[in-house]
Amino acid sequence: GEDVEQSLFLSVREGDSSVINCTYTDSSSTYLYWYKQEPGAGLQLLTYIFSNMDMKQDQRLTVLLNKKDKHLSLRIADTQTGDSAIYFCAESFNDMRFGAGTRLTVKP
Amino acid sequence: NAGVTQTPKFQVLKTGQSMTLQCAQDMNHNSMYWYRQDPGMGLRLIYYSASEGTTDKGEVPNGYNVSRLNKREFSLRLESAAPSQTSVYFCATSTGTYSYEQYFGPGTRLTVT
Repeated sequence: GEDVEQSLFLSVREGDSSVINCTYTDSSSTYLYWYKQEPGAGLQLLTYIFSNMDMKQDQRLTVLLNKKDKHLSLRIADTQTGDSAIYFCAESFNDMRFGAGTRLTVKP
Repeated sequence: NAGVTQTPKFQVLKTGQSMTLQCAQDMNHNSMYWYRQDPGMGLRLIYYSASEGTTDKGEVPNGYNVSRLNKREFSLRLESAAPSQTSVYFCATSTGTYSYEQYFGPGTRLTVT
């Protein structure tokens, strides 16, 4: 089947930028999503991008999409300790597929 | 406005026991989903219901059954629990199937011994 892949861990210092990367294989995907999961909670949608867009910015979040390479990234500017969580990339077309999640740790 | 609620929050079962996980939503969404989350594997879809009265298998349906009781409620049943079903189970809803934002419940942590 189609896979969504992400690195499992990322550690940054407070105030730095974080970049979380994701690759997907289904070129038919219409929407690509970033979800955030805090400890003991369900997933919460952070942002999404349509497949015909290259970039989307939402306050401290910037999503970049490279359709040719099937690569999606999430940049968090001025990362705070409250951003520590697991971030999931997901794609949808006929179904929704999630990556394994990247655990972001923000050190003070 | 509770959003998506799940009961119970935690459950321990012995191998062979049965149980039903409950999910309810007050968002008036048509589609509902059951996922399981295992370390390093992300979320995998067990079953989904595109609308009231319909259910379909997802990626990992074996060992589970579902019931879409009405528009609000979607339950997941384990008839004979196995240790491989130890996981965190999430219910989610959306206005339409897949190509819309999904809203997640807080999850049920199930341990099968």
